[in-house]
Amino acid sequence: GAGVSQSPRYKVTKRGQDVALRCDPISGHVSLYWYRQALGQGPEFLTYFNYEAQQDKSGLPNDRFSAERPEGSISTLTIQRTEQRDSAMYRCASSLGGGGVSYNEQFFGPGTRLTVL
Amino acid sequence: AQSVTQLGSHVSVSEGALVLLRCNYSSSVPPYLFWYVQYPNQGLQLLLKYTSAATLVKGINGFEAEFKKSETSFHLTKPSAHMSDAAEYFCAVLIYNQGGKLIFGQGTELSVKP
Repeated sequence: GAGVSQSPRYKVTKRGQDVALRCDPISGHVSLYWYRQALGQGPEFLTYFNYEAQQDKSGLPNDRFSAERPEGSISTLTIQRTEQRDSAMYRCASSLGGGGVSYNEQFFGPGTRLTVL
Repeated sequence: AQSVTQLGSHVSVSEGALVLLRCNYSSSVPPYLFWYVQYPNQGLQLLLKYTSAATLVKGINGFEAEFKKSETSFHLTKPSAHMSDAAEYFCAVLIYNQGGKLIFGQGTELSVKP
């Protein structure tokens, strides 16, 4: 497709369950970012990849959160033992990467709204 | 550390009136600044960006923003609001030496009254 896609668009789960959120970036984009957006707030950085390498995971809130991008394309954000406070919109973005701001322009997907009951 | 503050979580204007959404930034290095718009059930869409070239930046849908270093501001304006401008708007600063991650403000919801 032409844009960043994310699946599922909506996920409702029970507390304690694991969830996996998928991001399919724009073809050819080197960099992939994950953000979390709580209701009424701006997106908050979680982690990012260049190709398959996770470059920065400083935004992951705790060790229940992990992400991977094994082949440098599709990425999965996994939340283990979900808690109600994990409820939020999870957004993925991709960019061409490389130098210069034009290569760092991020294109966002529609997000996955996670609700933990 | 870089940060962004958006003044006013809700702004309401009449159709045809001036739109002004405020953004102030904090950065120890020359910033790269962005405005994104979010329509319901859609992803964030880039409106415009400042990349240290012209201080007055024009974006899509008639929006523009002016970078003012002395005021550390990057306010978004549009001369005449349309009903279709109703959305949430986010200002963001790029953390260039940390892989290009974005730091967002808390957002401003714009309502347009007929």
